[in-house]
Amino acid sequence: GQSLEQPSEVTAVEGAIVQINCTYQTSGFYGLSWYQQHDGGAPTFLSYNALDGLEETGRFSSFLSRSDSYGYLLLQELQMKDSASYFCAVRDWGKLSFGAGTTVTVRA
Amino acid sequence: DVKVTQSSRYLVKRTGEKVFLECVQDMDHENMFWYRQDPGLGLRLIYFSYDVKMKEKGDIPEGYSVSREKKERFSLILESASTNQTSMYLCASSPPASGGDEQFFGPGTRLTVL
Repeated sequence: GQSLEQPSEVTAVEGAIVQINCTYQTSGFYGLSWYQQHDGGAPTFLSYNALDGLEETGRFSSFLSRSDSYGYLLLQELQMKDSASYFCAVRDWGKLSFGAGTTVTVRA
Repeated sequence: DVKVTQSSRYLVKRTGEKVFLECVQDMDHENMFWYRQDPGLGLRLIYFSYDVKMKEKGDIPEGYSVSREKKERFSLILESASTNQTSMYLCASSPPASGGDEQFFGPGTRLTVL
């Protein structure tokens, strides 16, 4: 089975940097994904790491260390619109297993 | 743009009723998924399908079944609804090249079972 852990809540001010950590235990592993979900909205894909290292997409970056079963999502230059829930998800063969989510609140 | 639509945003049913949740995607995706989302538990996979008439159990299939008669449509069926099936239900689809990593989600159906 799969087990993913991520913090439940993070609060930061506009312009700050936030790092959301995700540790996982899986029987099989193909990669780590991150999704964003605004309140009342559908989850949307942010990034995917299959190999160790950092992937950068604009203000967001995602990191993976397969040997440590660990990854993180880095949100830079926080904006009010970044207030949302963020989920890490592990791909095992053809399906995804999601963490419980981290609620990020951005304050002015 | 990929569009995944779900038949209802809100649904109220009574215990014991048979419930159908419909999902349609318009991008010819092979893979389709049904999740339920509950506070503090994230998204949990109920069933998924890689092709027409194919289905695979996810992590919590008990009390649910699915049907995929056409490529674009994936239905979730609650044979006899119970109050513990009150939840947000999300459908998703993905093309085969992504191997199920980038999934496109519908807006969700909030089901209340009384």
